[in-house]
Amino acid sequence: QVQLQESGPGLVKPSETLSLTCTVSGGSIRSYYWSWIRQPPGKGLEWIGYVYYSGSTIYNPSLQSRVTISVHTSKTQFSLRLSSVTAADTAVYYCAGHFDAFDVWGQGTMVTVSS
Amino acid sequence: QSALTQPASVSGSPGQSITISCTGTSSDVGGYGYVSWYQQHPGKAPKLMIFDVSKRPSGVSNRFSGSKSGTTASLTISGLQAEDEADYYCCSYGGSGTYVEFGGGTKLTV
Repeated sequence: QVQLQESGPGLVKPSETLSLTCTVSGGSIRSYYWSWIRQPPGKGLEWIGYVYYSGSTIYNPSLQSRVTISVHTSKTQFSLRLSSVTAADTAVYYCAGHFDAFDVWGQGTMVTVSS
Repeated sequence: QSALTQPASVSGSPGQSITISCTGTSSDVGGYGYVSWYQQHPGKAPKLMIFDVSKRPSGVSNRFSGSKSGTTASLTISGLQAEDEADYYCCSYGGSGTYVEFGGGTKLTV
């Protein structure tokens, strides 16, 4: 049973870079595509992008200029970097694994952008 | 604004059936077979309820069913129970190398 756990700072200053890591346990990093998904308070889900173990990535066009998702196979981790953050990037950030659907999710981590 | 359109809210009484629609275009829902539905209770991560339009993961009640007609996908919940009260999201995905889109979400009140 694959399990995911997000980690990273809960508070980021405006204009800085948000960095999160997702640790994969109970399965191989090669077994899924790995996505980041976020949910602003009181709002819906927004897909950010995904990475495959090969390192290939696909990003949401609305965030593409600020997003980098990378995989670290030796550590069974993948990560998210979102640059030049503003208050609009305040959200719960989830990591998730998928093929044709997201069948494994992390518990989510709240990130607040504030000075 | 979400690429996939869902009603903001639906409601039903225990034992009744409800249907939540998810309307897209021929470039997403209408063109892809990878439509999925997620249930989210407050403060929890989403849970996969339906994948590939109409398939149920192991452990999901057969009261949940999915379908698609043209550019609109639907989630039907029969025999409503209090525990079904949650937010529901549809999702469209075209496979490797393509984008993922979520609907705006529907709040179900039982």
